[in-house]
Amino acid sequence: GDSVTQMEGPVTLSEEAFLTINCTYTATGYPSLFWYVQYPGEGLQLLLKATKADDKGSNKGFEATYRKETTSFHLEKGSVQVSDSAVYFCALSKFTSGTYKYIFGTGTRLKVLA
Amino acid sequence: NAGVTQTPKFRVLKTGQSMTLLCAQDMNHEYMYWYRQDPGMGLRLIHYSVGEGTTAKGEVPDGYNVSRLKKQNFLLGLESAAPSQTSVYFCASTPGGPVETQYFGPGTRLLVL
Repeated sequence: GDSVTQMEGPVTLSEEAFLTINCTYTATGYPSLFWYVQYPGEGLQLLLKATKADDKGSNKGFEATYRKETTSFHLEKGSVQVSDSAVYFCALSKFTSGTYKYIFGTGTRLKVLA
Repeated sequence: NAGVTQTPKFRVLKTGQSMTLLCAQDMNHEYMYWYRQDPGMGLRLIHYSVGEGTTAKGEVPDGYNVSRLKKQNFLLGLESAAPSQTSVYFCASTPGGPVETQYFGPGTRLLVL
């Protein structure tokens, strides 16, 4: 079945370090891909999305490219800040056989140290 | 705009008790969703609604019921709570279908003893 796999956390980085959080997916058809961020005690917020192959989503210095050939949507940021500390979720969505599917990864916790 | 709000924020139930979680959105969104979030498992879709008066099952619907009598409200019911339903519940909404951004509420933490 469809699934999303994220790297295990926590990921601990120093401020201004380069960030990569890996995400791969398994899905039939043409899903849309998302990265959401969850700050402590809050709900999820959309960080970026891509709806077709080779699309690049970007927001607040974060980027991810929809790679159909490697079924990946890795999240990157060139220089992280302490305020980026949060849990990041990769997700896919699709409509198939009359049903909507949203599938989230298990989340990756990022800690950025000053 | 309050966005998506959830009531209550936290609740403790005994096994077998019932309760209803309320989700409200003021963005005139057509679609609404209920998820549960458990450690190490990410979010899992319980039920969703594509419009007023409609509901559909998600990935983990057993033990839950939902209703969407008004466009702005989406209720999640637990008729007979079980410890396995201890979780954090999130409601979300989108203007339209699955490619659109989901707007999440702050969550309801439920503990079933």
